[in-house]
Amino acid sequence: DTEVTQTPKHLVMGMTNKKSLKCEQHMGHRAMYWYKQKAKKPPELMFVYSYEKLSINESVPSRFSPECPNSSLLNLHLHALQPEDSALYLCASSQLLDTQYFGPGTRLTVL
Amino acid sequence: DQQVKQNSPSLSVQEGRISILNCDYTNSMFDYFLWYKKYPAEGPTFLISISSIKDKNEDGRFTVFLNKSAKHLSLHIVPSQPGDSAVYFCAASAYGGATNKLIFGTGTLLAVQP
Repeated sequence: DTEVTQTPKHLVMGMTNKKSLKCEQHMGHRAMYWYKQKAKKPPELMFVYSYEKLSINESVPSRFSPECPNSSLLNLHLHALQPEDSALYLCASSQLLDTQYFGPGTRLTVL
Repeated sequence: DQQVKQNSPSLSVQEGRISILNCDYTNSMFDYFLWYKKYPAEGPTFLISISSIKDKNEDGRFTVFLNKSAKHLSLHIVPSQPGDSAVYFCAASAYGGATNKLIFGTGTLLAVQP
């Protein structure tokens, strides 16, 4: 089983809203990732959690706030986003230094 | 600075023929390479990987070749099927850190014509 689930599938929010994206995996992976993908571009790494600790933050603006409550869950809290933040947000998980498996993504639109 | 490049944005192939997708990289520290397939509005699906200690890895219809001296890898799909039509990303990472930071190429859109 290599399934990573993400909710919601689609999200529309205003610039003053607060929302959260959720990601879950039950493969026992100890690393989890958030990526952002704009149209016709490759996925770009945002954050990496290793053993539930933030290990990489790719200089992401503070309006994006990640959280890893336990080894199976990863959240991305969104606040005061801009229209240019509209994108497909992808979650992935892996054993350390191993293949990353991606979820289906959340299509975010910021109005 | 694009460390992983896929110079062909698109490729069209007849069903049953071979598809060859190419990828070049610049960082000599990369030692693990992957290919992902992606449909629109979905997450990337892992296809096949290769570590730098090998020059070839096969899995069914998919074969990845690695030429370290040329910093070049390729994905061969044979025979190609219409269901293979998707965007293909190559990705690279460098072991040595505690976690796996993947750098993706820009993608190649493969269209397999029936």
